[in-house]
Amino acid sequence: GAGVSQSPSNKVTEKGKDVELRCDPISGHTALYWYRQSLGQGLEFLIYFQGNSAPDKSGLPSDRFSAERTGGSVSTLTIQRTQQEDSAVYLCASSPETGPNTGELFFGEGSRLTVL
Amino acid sequence: SQQGEEDPQALSIQEGENATMNCSYKTSINNLQWYRQNSGRGLVHLILIRSNEREKHSGRLRVTLDTSKKSSSLLITASRAADTASYFCATQLVFGAGTILRVKS
Repeated sequence: GAGVSQSPSNKVTEKGKDVELRCDPISGHTALYWYRQSLGQGLEFLIYFQGNSAPDKSGLPSDRFSAERTGGSVSTLTIQRTQQEDSAVYLCASSPETGPNTGELFFGEGSRLTVL
Repeated sequence: SQQGEEDPQALSIQEGENATMNCSYKTSINNLQWYRQNSGRGLVHLILIRSNEREKHSGRLRVTLDTSKKSSSLLITASRAADTASYFCATQLVFGAGTILRVKS
């Protein structure tokens, strides 16, 4: 079956513009995670969705960042009024497990965002 | 703040040698996982060790966990050039900064 799919693969935008990044998790996976990885750095947790529960938004760096997950499947990460420091690879992962990081995470290939 | 902290930050070895990477964390955990990343894109799961386990093997990988010291190690035996990658430990929702492993042929 298909893995986690992210789009776009690469996005170049101008400072101040809004961007949307999409994640299609593996079918049937109830948990979905967004991470951010700046060049040469580790992964920074952003947000975690689990089924119909309220998402854990504790990692979102500012109110310019938001995410939603429609129908318990596809998720969209939106960054408003982008800044140069938002440039990074945004990684999505899904898991069939019911608790945070209780099982293997399946990662997409990421969306590389460049803010000019 | 990041829970997992790996060391060394970078490791360069010859093919055939063993590579050991360490990870420390700060809070109680259900399990600890190790991942590998090539070329800065998607991560691949390597191994999961539960909090009540002390050692786990998978092929050329050996992971240990010491919950009293809040630390874990990943050993790759008989390394190959194809093992060149970044390796991350993960606890709960948090990933460490990673160890960059370079295996020279």
